[in-house]
Amino acid sequence: KQEVTQIPAALSVPEGENLVLNCSFTDSAIYNLQWFRQDPGKGLTSLLLIQSSQREQTSGRLNASLDKSSGRSTLYIAASQPGDSATYLCAVVDMGGGSNYKLTFGKGTLLTVNP
Amino acid sequence: EPEVTQTPSHQVTQMGQEVILRCVPISNHLYFYWYRQILGQKVEFLVSFYNNEISEKSEIFDDQFSVERPDGSNFTLKIRSTKLEDSAMYFCASRKGGGYYEQYFGPGTRLTVT
Repeated sequence: KQEVTQIPAALSVPEGENLVLNCSFTDSAIYNLQWFRQDPGKGLTSLLLIQSSQREQTSGRLNASLDKSSGRSTLYIAASQPGDSATYLCAVVDMGGGSNYKLTFGKGTLLTVNP
Repeated sequence: EPEVTQTPSHQVTQMGQEVILRCVPISNHLYFYWYRQILGQKVEFLVSFYNNEISEKSEIFDDQFSVERPDGSNFTLKIRSTKLEDSAMYFCASRKGGGYYEQYFGPGTRLTVT
């Protein structure tokens, strides 16, 4: 059964700092990995999708990398801003899940960027 | 840009009552999902739906839950007799194709059972 772990559970940084959020998964046979942002009490905003054949994806100040063989992904946020404060979730689609292609989520990293 | 929509945004109900949560997935998508997130916990898979039938359900998705796609656009989750522990945010999601496609989420319905 796929398990997704995110470290750290919470992170507080001063504005302007570059930071890295970590995600690990136990079964490396995945189709893809998605990073999401969730504001308190709100829905899930998709940030980046990395296919299993890709090593990284970039969108603006965000860069996500994937090392499928070791079961790890990182989300790098450059020049953090207070508006980046949110919970960041990592989720994977297993190849072993048959034809339903469901996402398995980590618990998230709560990021606080202090002005 | 097409998006997944959900109604209502917040539903308050009494224990034992039936609730129906509604979703309109993106129009050309083929796979549909419900997930839930209890406050402070992980987003959990409930059920997936493809080709007009359930393709997988989690152990959470017991006989109290059902899903329907009554027409070409709506996708509903029904909870027959709500319990206090059903209080959670419920997310609908859809995807266009198989595992390499992105999954798109709706804004969620917050269900409060009193």
